[in-house]
Amino acid sequence: QSALTQPASVSGSPGQSITISCTGTRSDVGSYNLISWYQQHPGKAPKLMIYEGSKRPSGVSNRFSGSKSGNTASLTISGLQAEDEADYHCCSYAGSNTLVFGTGTKVTV
Amino acid sequence: QVQLQESGPGLVKPSQTLSLTCTVSGGSLSGGGYYWSWIRQHPGKGLEWVAYIYYNGNTHYNPSLKSRVTISVDTSKNQISLQLSSVTAADTAVYYCARELQIAFDIWGQGTMVTVSS
Repeated sequence: QSALTQPASVSGSPGQSITISCTGTRSDVGSYNLISWYQQHPGKAPKLMIYEGSKRPSGVSNRFSGSKSGNTASLTISGLQAEDEADYHCCSYAGSNTLVFGTGTKVTV
Repeated sequence: QVQLQESGPGLVKPSQTLSLTCTVSGGSLSGGGYYWSWIRQHPGKGLEWVAYIYYNGNTHYNPSLKSRVTISVDTSKNQISLQLSSVTAADTAVYYCARELQIAFDIWGQGTMVTVSS
C-alpha cells in the first residue's frame, strides 16, 4: 500500500486558480469515489475540505472543488487567497477496509 | 459539539510500547455510525492512516503496521486507545485521533507529539 503521489509544492498569485493532483492506482483512486482532501496550517490539525470526491462540508468555501479522472484526483482552489497558503493532503479508500493518504502538497500564495 | 483530545507520554524508549488515549467529549462515540481513527504524521511529512475502530469493537489496520498495532474502544469512558509495540525512531510522529464517515475525517483532535528516544 503506497502513498498517493502529490506534487511537493504548488504556487499561485492572489486571485488565480491552482490545481493539486493526487495520483494513485486502479486499486485505490481509480476504483472508488471515496476521496477526501484536507487543509493543514502549520502546527494545526488537518481540516476536511472535500469528501466523496467533490462534496464540500458545510462552511467550506465554494472556491474549493474536487474532481477525478482515472487514477488521479484533483483539488482546485479558485480565487486564491493568502489564507489558502497551507499544506493539502488527499486520502482514498484502498479496498479491504484500508485507507491511504497522499504525500502532501505545500501551497504558496 | 464533538471534540477529541489525545493524551499519552511524549517520550517512549525504543523497543517499548507506545500507548495513547483519545477522549471524546460533547457526544457519544457509539452514535451516528462513525468510525474512530488514529492517524500519524512524521515531522515534516504527510499523513499516515494507522487504524480505525467502530464502537462495537470492529477494527481495521494499516497493513504495514498491523503486526504492531492494537486499537480498542471503551464506550463507558468514551475513549479510543492505541497501542504500538516495539517502537523505533521511525515511530516518532504527531499522533491524531479523528472521527470518520465514508473516508472523510471531519473532526480531529489537536494531536500529540510522541518521540521515540533513549
